[in-house]
Amino acid sequence: KQEVTQIPAALSVPEGENLVLNCSFTDSAIYNLQWFRQDPGKGLTSLLLIQSSQREQTSGRLNASLDKSSGRSTLYIAASQPGDSATYLCAVRGPVGTYKYIFGTGTRLKVLA
Amino acid sequence: DGGITQSPKYLFRKEGQNVTLSCEQNLNHDAMYWYRQDPGQGLRLIYYSQIVNDFQKGDIAEGYSVSREKKESFPLTVTSAQKNPTAFYLCASTRRDTNTGELFFGEGSRLTVL
Repeated sequence: KQEVTQIPAALSVPEGENLVLNCSFTDSAIYNLQWFRQDPGKGLTSLLLIQSSQREQTSGRLNASLDKSSGRSTLYIAASQPGDSATYLCAVRGPVGTYKYIFGTGTRLKVLA
Repeated sequence: DGGITQSPKYLFRKEGQNVTLSCEQNLNHDAMYWYRQDPGQGLRLIYYSQIVNDFQKGDIAEGYSVSREKKESFPLTVTSAQKNPTAFYLCASTRRDTNTGELFFGEGSRLTVL
């Protein structure tokens, strides 16, 4: 059974720092991996989607990498800002032919001004 | 604008009552999902549907029921059999016929049992 873990559970950093959030999964037979952002009391907003055949995706200050063989993904946030404060979740779908997405418990990020 | 609309945003229920949460999407997505979110536990899958008139149980389906009579709509009923229904409920959808499989979410419905 696929399990997804995110470490750390919470992170507090000063503004301007570059930071890395981690996501690990137990079954490497995934279709894709997606990173989301969630603000308090809101739904999830998609940040980056990495297909199983890809190694990384970039959007602005965000870069996500995927290493299927080791069951790991990282989300890199460059030059963090207070507006980046939110909970970040990763989810994996797979394998091919299935439509279930399994979520990690998230990393709660606070960027201090 | 295309998106997923969940209603109501807040709902209060007395013990023993059934309530139905609405989820409507105009993205022409085939697959739809219901998740439950509790503090510190991430998202847990309740039910999902890949096509109209078909749905499958997720990991925590007990006490819940769904229907998928139209492609755009996937309502969730929280029955009185659900022991601890107070939670944040999220609806999501995705297309089946693309290579991306990107998942999109609604804004959520918060259910409180009084």
